[in-house]
Parts: sequence; C-alpha cells; structure tokens
Amino acid sequence: GNSVTQMEGPVTLSEEAFLTINCTYTATGYPSLFWYVQYPGEGLQLLLKATKADDKGSNKGFEATYRKETTSFHLEKGSVQVSDSAVYFCALMDSSYKLIFGSGTRLLVRP
Amino acid sequence: DAGITQSPRYKITETGRQVTLMCHQTWSHSYMFWYRQDLGHGLRLIYYSAAADITDKGEVPDGYVVSRSKTENFPLTLESATRSQTSVYFCASSDTGGRTAFFGQGTRLTVV
Repeated sequence: GNSVTQMEGPVTLSEEAFLTINCTYTATGYPSLFWYVQYPGEGLQLLLKATKADDKGSNKGFEATYRKETTSFHLEKGSVQVSDSAVYFCALMDSSYKLIFGSGTRLLVRP
Repeated sequence: DAGITQSPRYKITETGRQVTLMCHQTWSHSYMFWYRQDLGHGLRLIYYSAAADITDKGEVPDGYVVSRSKTENFPLTLESATRSQTSVYFCASSDTGGRTAFFGQGTRLTVV
C-alpha cells in the first residue's frame, strides 16, 4: 500500500544553517506530494507541493523536488530562522484524494 | 468567515460518554476528512467523505461514526469514548481535483 517515511526528529539547528528533512514514499502510480507545517497549537498549513516527476515546489525559502527515480521529496532550506521552528509533515495524495502522512519531523532552530 | 472551522477546540469527557466533534467548511469542497494526531504516529485517517451522503472508512475507524447530510458539515461522533481516543482531531477538506487539502485548527479531546 501507499506509505510515507520521514527522518526521525527532532532536528536542532542554529539560525542560518542549512536544512534538509528527508522524505521517501511508496505508492502505486505517481501521486501528488506535499509538505505541511504545523506550528505549536495550530493546524496544518500547506507549505509546498509537487504534482509530477521533476516538479519543484517552493514557498517561503523552502524547496522540495519530486524525484521519481529515488521516490523521494526531501525538504530543503538554505538558511533557517527561529520562526521556522515547527513540525513538518511529508504526505502523498492517493487516487481517492486522501492524504497519507509521514510521522512528522520536529525542527528546532536556536538563535 | 471563509474556511474550515472545528468545534469545540478543547473537550474533556468521561469514558463511555458519547461526544461529537463538529467540522464546517465554507468552500463547498466535495471531499472532507477526519484525522487523528498522536505522538509517534503522525496523522491517521479515521473517515472520509467524497460528497454528501457518501462516506468511507480510513485507517483507524473503529469506535467512530460519521455522517454527511450537507456538503459543508462533517461531524465525527465517538459513540462510547475510551481513553485510547484521547488525541488531537483534525478535519480537512479538498476540492474535487484534489489540488490540495485545507485543515481546521483541531480539537484536543481528552477522555478521562
């Protein structure tokens, strides 16, 4: 069946450091892929998405590229800020429009 | 206000009681979903609905009941709450094309 695997957290970085959060998926066909962010006490917000192979999603300095050959959708940011501290979820959308999530990765950015 | 709203935001209930969590969206999205969020499990799908009067089970449906008589509302009922149902519950909606899903603020439910 479809599934998403994310790197375990927490990830602790200093401000302005480079961020990578790994995400790989297992799916039939070519699902759309998403990154959602959850700030403390809030719901999930869409951060970026990609709908086909080699697409790059980007938003607020974050980027992720849909890699069919490695079934991956790693999240990157060149210079993180304290305000980026949150939980990040990778997800795929299956053929019934259901989102299947990874377990989430907590990011903590220190000043 | 436009968007997707959940109520209540916080709820404490006793084991064995029935409790209903409400979800309302103003976009007329066809698809609606209920997820629960537990530490170490991410978000798991409880039930979803493709349209009014069409619902289907997700990954963890046991102990839950849903209905969808109107497109904009998708209530989730715990028929007899158990401590294992203590969780944060999120409702989401998506348009027919599934371009993206929008989430409510969540309901934190504690069963004592």
